[in-house]
Amino acid sequence: GESVGLHLPTLSVQEGDNSIINCAYSNSASDYFIWYKQESGKGPQFIIDIRSNMDKRQGQRVTVLLNKTVKHLSLQIAATQPGDSAVYFCAENKSGSRLTFGEGTQLTVNP
Amino acid sequence: GAVVSQHPSRVICKSGTSVKIECRSLDFQATTMFWYRQFPKQSLMLMATSNEGSKATYEQGVEKDKFLINHASLTLSTLTVTSAHPEDSSFYICSATSGGSSSGANVLTFGAGSRLTVL
Repeated sequence: GESVGLHLPTLSVQEGDNSIINCAYSNSASDYFIWYKQESGKGPQFIIDIRSNMDKRQGQRVTVLLNKTVKHLSLQIAATQPGDSAVYFCAENKSGSRLTFGEGTQLTVNP
Repeated sequence: GAVVSQHPSRVICKSGTSVKIECRSLDFQATTMFWYRQFPKQSLMLMATSNEGSKATYEQGVEKDKFLINHASLTLSTLTVTSAHPEDSSFYICSATSGGSSSGANVLTFGAGSRLTVL
């Protein structure tokens, strides 16, 4: 399943499918882009980040893709599990400046 | 790993009273902490940057006399919502820089949040 980030704040996928969460950012001068996961009633948790001079970074079951040409960031989650259900926020950061959060996407994983 | 503890996790108060929320870095020192506010189904909005030993830096539109921030030590920042009103009801979250990621970004560790309900 795939979301359009700011325009589609919800994404529903079947357990085991891959999820793609998208985010459009605004500051072309940002040095880092970060994905956070926020479960209901909790604070955000760091998932993965990527420097602006990279276009892809992989973690455990997650991959972040950065397209600076169109200012687009995506988070891919492989073999989505029920525990992945949460709101996912992208954030951008320029060194020495504060973190700016995107709107967020609610991911729901159906068993 | 780095842990940020927030207390209380939930608080209900009457309109006109003041409420204090504590944010502690448990296993690291934090010269800078950040306070966010989050409404249901919305993103995090930075309210202020809390600096140890000096005045907090407030974001535009955030009333500093309404939201008092004190960062008296390297492990504790407090947010006091003064003369709370129902419109102040929200989820307040603090964070602190806990180190660098493998990419070199400053990693923010967030507290679990404090849900304030003003009756």
